[in-house]
Amino acid sequence: DARVTQTPRHKVTEMGQEVTMRCQPILGHNTVFWYRQTMMQGLELLAYFRNRAPLDDSGMPKDRFSAEMPDATLATLKIQPSEPRDSAVYFCASGLGLFQGSGDEKLFFGSGTQLSVL
Amino acid sequence: DAKTTQPNSMESNEEEPVHLPCNHSTISGTDYIHWYRQLPSQGPEYVIHGLTSNVNNRMASLAIAEDRKSSTLILHRATLRDAAVYYCIRGATNKLIFGTGTLLAVQP
Repeated sequence: DARVTQTPRHKVTEMGQEVTMRCQPILGHNTVFWYRQTMMQGLELLAYFRNRAPLDDSGMPKDRFSAEMPDATLATLKIQPSEPRDSAVYFCASGLGLFQGSGDEKLFFGSGTQLSVL
Repeated sequence: DAKTTQPNSMESNEEEPVHLPCNHSTISGTDYIHWYRQLPSQGPEYVIHGLTSNVNNRMASLAIAEDRKSSTLILHRATLRDAAVYYCIRGATNKLIFGTGTLLAVQP
């Protein structure tokens, strides 16, 4: 079964450290999304890419977060410097399609990276 | 923003049908309705989606009101493994925006 792979599954770090989360989308999928989930805010969309180009990163704190797709098989989300309020589960999802207009496409989610910033 | 309204929580008994409601009164004519669910400690997973007609797949059925202002996700026979948060989402924009969903508890 094709699946979205996220690494690491768990990360504990200290405030001020750089954190890098990686995502391998399903082969052939052209759209990648990053979501963050906390108890207080639920699932928040941080950024998304189509054909490796960033389309929207308005949900991301720009001063410390960055998202990239170095190639079609890898998406990264970096936090530098990390803060305790960044503690959350970060999900990557991939899909095939334009994800515009009526929205007929499906998303496939990874298992997430649970980040704890002390 | 693309808003849907769902009850915060529902409870069901195992082996019984479950009807999970969703209101989307401002939906436009071309917006699909998507349902995802999130099992404990997992990422969300796709359940079903539809536009106007009722839809069935191996996981569930989706009943869409004639005026499309509401829909109902139907689990025909709930199992303990169906305990999850169920999200109803309008596919109105370039992305899927998740609300708070309905937490479904299934009692044995």
